[in-house]
Amino acid sequence: TQLLEQSPQFLSIQEGENLTVYCNSSSVFSSLQWYRQEPGEGPVLLVTVVTGGEVKKLKRLTFQFGDARKDSSLHITAAQPGDTGLYLCAGARPGSARQLTFGSGTQLTVLP
Amino acid sequence: NAGVTQTPKFQVLKTGQSMTLQCAQDMNHEYMSWYRQDPGMGLRLIHYSVGAGITDQGEVPNGYNVSRSTTEDFPLRLLSAAPSQTSVYFCASRRGRMNTEAFFGQGTRLTVV
Repeated sequence: TQLLEQSPQFLSIQEGENLTVYCNSSSVFSSLQWYRQEPGEGPVLLVTVVTGGEVKKLKRLTFQFGDARKDSSLHITAAQPGDTGLYLCAGARPGSARQLTFGSGTQLTVLP
Repeated sequence: NAGVTQTPKFQVLKTGQSMTLQCAQDMNHEYMSWYRQDPGMGLRLIHYSVGAGITDQGEVPNGYNVSRSTTEDFPLRLLSAAPSQTSVYFCASRRGRMNTEAFFGQGTRLTVV
């Protein structure tokens, strides 16, 4: 059982559709990060959220950190084929900032 | 713009062989980590280090050793390779503060036959 559970595991949508990816845990995190990974590459940071209830927007991507700091969501508006990739959430537990724990990942495919 | 450099990119080992995966970073980051990535499992932490001479175990440390003699280098050693260690391995580094960004290498795809 992973500390951070992501859903859905796979998502295939048409260009222009909206989608939401979830990252859930029963544990509290001092911060959550979202990374995007393309084939053959390492993950690259998209955003860090640190305050419960925080919402951050990055162009068509909206990230939210739950009020209780146990969950986060990533919403993409009007998805484009360039959004295709593996989306990973990662968290640092209070008192364990040295360790970054990753979720199971959501593989997103946006079809033209 | 080297960032985090991993070698080799691909490796095939026979069961029982040993090898070392190399990782070097040029950003003077305190924290370095090794992860393995398997389908449907995201990234699982193997070992990590918070500075030269300091290492600790992560979630899946069995069968792996690490050392950190310098800030720049953090090699991962497989002592006696097993088919269960077939995976993609990523090294990451980040500054030793809260909420900092992790920078990843391009990964090493290891197959144990």
